[in-house]
Amino acid sequence: GDSVTQMEGPVTLSEEAFLTINCTYTATGYPSLFWYVQYPGEGLQLLLKATKADDKGSNKGFEATYRKETTSFHLEKGSVQVSDSAVYFCALRLTGTASKLTFGTGTRLQVTL
Amino acid sequence: GAGVSQSPSNKVTEKGKDVELRCDPISGHTALYWYRQSLGQGLEFLIYFQGNSAPDKSGLPSDRFSAERTGGSVSTLTIQRTQQEDSAVYLCASSLIAGEETQYFGPGTRLLVL
Repeated sequence: GDSVTQMEGPVTLSEEAFLTINCTYTATGYPSLFWYVQYPGEGLQLLLKATKADDKGSNKGFEATYRKETTSFHLEKGSVQVSDSAVYFCALRLTGTASKLTFGTGTRLQVTL
Repeated sequence: GAGVSQSPSNKVTEKGKDVELRCDPISGHTALYWYRQSLGQGLEFLIYFQGNSAPDKSGLPSDRFSAERTGGSVSTLTIQRTQQEDSAVYLCASSLIAGEETQYFGPGTRLLVL
């Protein structure tokens, strides 16, 4: 079945460090890919998305590129801030089928001063 | 309303009792989704509604779980004869139509079964 694999957390970084959170997927069709973020005490929010191969999603300084050849959608940010501390979820949704999102297990990011 | 709302925010119940969880989607959103977030299983899809019908119930873990939606708006997730493994955060999301890319999530209901 369809699945998403994320790197284990927690990831602890100093402010202004470079961030990469790895995400790979397995899908029978051609999925759309998403990163959702859950800040402490808040609900899940869409961070960015990409709907086809080689698309790059970006938002709030975060980027992820849809790589079909490696079935990956790694999340990157050049300089993290304390306010980026949250849990990040990679997810996929198959195009043209039921609308459910399939999520990875989440990666907790802790940014310190 | 401004966003998806869920009630209650927290629920503690005894094993064997029934519970009802409520979701109010964003006004005008026709698609509504239920997910469960638990320590052992991560974030799992349960069921989704388009209008009042549920085209995909494949994620409901057992026949103790059921959901309904009335008037194309509010949805209720019911868990009968709760078990300790039902303890989780139950998340509701809505989107303008099924298949639209962006699903907007509520804050969740944290359920603890003692």
